[in-house]
Amino acid sequence: DIVMTQTPSSQAVSAGEKVTMSCKSSQSLLYSENKKNYLAWYQQKPGQSPKLLISWASTRESGVPDRFIGSGSGTDFTLTISSVQAEDLAVYYCEQYYDTPLTFGSGTKLEIK
Amino acid sequence: EVQLVESGGGLVQPGASLKLSCVASGFTFSDYWMSWVRQTPGKTMEWIGDIKYDGSYTNYAPSLKNRFTISRDNAKSTLYLQMSNVRSEDTATYYCTRDRHGYKSYWGQGVMVTVSS
Repeated sequence: DIVMTQTPSSQAVSAGEKVTMSCKSSQSLLYSENKKNYLAWYQQKPGQSPKLLISWASTRESGVPDRFIGSGSGTDFTLTISSVQAEDLAVYYCEQYYDTPLTFGSGTKLEIK
Repeated sequence: EVQLVESGGGLVQPGASLKLSCVASGFTFSDYWMSWVRQTPGKTMEWIGDIKYDGSYTNYAPSLKNRFTISRDNAKSTLYLQMSNVRSEDTATYYCTRDRHGYKSYWGQGVMVTVSS
């Protein structure tokens, strides 16, 4: 199984600050034939179900604010929120869909100071 | 508007069976792969498995393959998860998802399953 490691487990920032969180996979998620990274990011706000933010490591879903930026390739990926807003309070999960069983990271909890 | 509504959860005794349902609306159900994902009380996310749009193929997490079965009824726009011989570690919130290339583009609101005597 591909192991997904997210760091940090929690992070507290003030509104307006930039935040980055990491997701590392135990093997490459880059598929050589199409040069795509099979990595998604989800946001789960308190009491809600997860919501897809980013697919293919860097493709933002329609309606997702452009302050959410996904980057990285191979085994190292980053989710950046360029200017955190109060409504970004949530747990952020990465998921690899390169190979079954599909696996998730343990999440990064974002707290607003 | 895409909607996925799970049902069938609740309190169940160890060793029992349970069948969850997920009714889909707002899209052509038969066009999409669908998945089940569960989230433990400790918030760990675990992929259970998925099913091809026509129901002809399924994938499962190896640890659950012998006890869980995913099926669908495209005429009813409904996805199912049959759980058998449930254990305390199956206690979780169960989500159905609409998939696209493997990632989960939409999630239901989830249904809680508690396994306890």
